Amino acid sequence: AQKVTQVQTEISVVEKEDVTLDCVYETRDTTYYLFWYKQPPSGELVFLIRRNSFDEQNEISGRYSWNFQKSTSSFNFTITASQVVDSAVYFCALLLYAGNMLTFGGGTRLMVKP
Amino acid sequence: DAGVIQSPRHEVTEMGQEVTLRCKPISGHNSLFWYRQTMMRGLELLIYFNNNVPIDDSGMPEDRFSAKMPNASFSTLKIQPSEPRDSAVYFCASRRDRVNEQFFGPGTRLTVL
Repeated sequence: AQKVTQVQTEISVVEKEDVTLDCVYETRDTTYYLFWYKQPPSGELVFLIRRNSFDEQNEISGRYSWNFQKSTSSFNFTITASQVVDSAVYFCALLLYAGNMLTFGGGTRLMVKP
Repeated sequence: DAGVIQSPRHEVTEMGQEVTLRCKPISGHNSLFWYRQTMMRGLELLIYFNNNVPIDDSGMPEDRFSAKMPNASFSTLKIQPSEPRDSAVYFCASRRDRVNEQFFGPGTRLTVL
């Protein structure tokens, strides 16, 4: 069975600091997709990125960047120059190509203080 | 394009009452998911529909929970009778294709007293 682990349950940083949220996954499948979602205090889940297992290129979107390392089964998320609005719970998730359902990690609560 | 719509946003009810949560997926999406989120258990998938047909309901806690999708634009999740331990945020999500991302609704915060 597949599993997603986010070991950092809570991170606190001061505004403008860089912060990396770790995500480690387990699966025996060779084809899968990885996702990150953001859940701000308002409660909705916002899709951030999808990555397939064949594409190990790092991705950058503004202050957000993602580092996918298949060798270590990790899909880490870095926020550069964090802002208070980045405060949220961030979830990493895995979808097997042969499956239909997302497996979510436990989430990391990020608090960015002014 | 409107996102996934859920109603009500908040529901407070008494133990033993019937509760119905509603979801309208994004137009053109053919898969619909119901999740429950609690502090203790995180995000749990309850049931998944594809083309209006329930595919996997193994996450439904017990017979008190039932879900329907009578057409491509509407789904309900019903709890009868409700219990305090059902208190949670219930999310509906929809997806266009199997490998695409799921888009979540704003959630319904259910409190059972």
